[in-house]
Amino acid sequence: RKEVEQDPGPFNVPEGATVAFNCTYSNSASQSFFWYRQDCRKEPKLLMSVYSSGNEDGRFTAQLNRASQYISLLIRDSKLSDSATYLCVVNGGGTGTASKLTFGTGTRLQVTL
Amino acid sequence: DAGITQSPRHKVTETGTPVTLRCHQTENHRYMYWYRQDPGHGLRLIHYSYGVKDTDKGEVSDGYSVSRSKTEDFLLTLESATSSQTSVYFCAISESKDYTEAFFGQGTRLTVV
Repeated sequence: RKEVEQDPGPFNVPEGATVAFNCTYSNSASQSFFWYRQDCRKEPKLLMSVYSSGNEDGRFTAQLNRASQYISLLIRDSKLSDSATYLCVVNGGGTGTASKLTFGTGTRLQVTL
Repeated sequence: DAGITQSPRHKVTETGTPVTLRCHQTENHRYMYWYRQDPGHGLRLIHYSYGVKDTDKGEVSDGYSVSRSKTEDFLLTLESATSSQTSVYFCAISESKDYTEAFFGQGTRLTVV
């Protein structure tokens, strides 16, 4: 089983739709969680951090369920510009010199007219 | 955008030749990382640095070495390039061990023929 699992998609949705992605993680000791966005052939960029029970930023809402070990990302009123790959990222913590950051393979979103 | 640049951005090299990729930051962040990204895999950590001359291995370090002689520069060397090292390489920086936010360079697309 992968440490961080995501549905690769693609999710094809019309503009204005609401879409949700889920991500599961296997390390119950994981301490922090993030969603990154990656445009085609570009570098990943932080979209949102998810530290406790979740948070909201405009049209984006991230939720964390520690008991079931999953996080979700909800995008409301989708825009064409939301088309990208969304990476679920989990910080597994650790007592070493750096925390262990594990990336999912990403969920691709395509928003259409 | 964070001040992080990678060079070269694209490179084609022959099997068996050494290759060095450079990551340069202007943010004075302590932590620097090298990842590779391949289809079907999330970003995978190759090596990281937690200070000048302080480096450690990631999960896919075989065939790679790194050096950090200055805070701002982190070099990744492929000792003898192989076709399996054809990939997109990303450098990342973060201010703290706990990845409060990681900033990525634009990536280097390396092809080993």
